[in-house]
Amino acid sequence: AQSVSQHNHHVILSEAASLELGCNYSYGGTVNLFWYVQYPGQHLQLLLKYFSGDPLVKGIKGFEAEFIKSKFSFNLRKPSVQWSDTAEYFCAVDGSSNTGKLIFGQGTTLQVKP
Amino acid sequence: GAVVSQHPSWVICKSGTSVKIECRSLDFQATTMFWYRQFPKQSLMLMATSNEGSKATYEQGVEKDKFLINHASLTLSTLTVTSAHPEDSSFYICSARDPGGRTEAFFGQGTRLTVV
Repeated sequence: AQSVSQHNHHVILSEAASLELGCNYSYGGTVNLFWYVQYPGQHLQLLLKYFSGDPLVKGIKGFEAEFIKSKFSFNLRKPSVQWSDTAEYFCAVDGSSNTGKLIFGQGTTLQVKP
Repeated sequence: GAVVSQHPSWVICKSGTSVKIECRSLDFQATTMFWYRQFPKQSLMLMATSNEGSKATYEQGVEKDKFLINHASLTLSTLTVTSAHPEDSSFYICSARDPGGRTEAFFGQGTRLTVV
C-alpha cells in the first residue's frame, strides 16, 4: 500500500531562516507528487506539484521541492521564510494513474516567529 | 484555478440524526470526487471515492452504511453521515480533479461537523 511520511511534525523558525521539510513516499510505480498548504481557518491550497521532467520544481510564494527518485523523497524548501508562512504543510502522493486520489502525509506544522 | 465548493461550512447536529454534506465542482465536470476526513491536528484520511453514476469505493475501515455517498451528477457529490455520534465529529473535505487538463486536485473549503 502507498504511504507518505513527513519527518518533521512541528517546526519553529525565525523569520528569514531557511526551511526544509522532509517527505518520503512508499510506492513502486510512477507517482505524482504534491505539496499543499493549509493556512489557519482556510482550505488546502496547492504549493507545487511534480509530474515529470525537471525534478526541481518551483511553486508559489518562493517554495520549491526536489524529487529524488532513488530516495523516494520530495522535500520542500524555502530559502527565507516569512511570518505569513505559518501554516500546516502536507505532502501528498497520487499513485493511482493520476485520478486525483491522494494519500497524504501526517502534516508538518510550521510556526514562524517574527 | 478550478473551484470546488462544499456546503455547509459547519453544522451541529444531535446524536442519532443524519447530516448531508454537499460537494460541488463549479466550473468543471467531475466524474470522480474524493471525500477525506481530518481530525484536529492530524492529516487528511481518504474515506472514499465518489463515482458519478455508480457506487462509491470505500477505503478499508470506513463504514459504507455510516457514510453514504451519492454522486448523482457530474458536478455534485453528497456525503451523508447517518445516525451521527459524537465520535463522528470531524472536518470533512472533498476534492475533485478536472479531467479536462488541469493536473491537480482541487479541494473544497471543508465542513466542520459537531455532533452533540
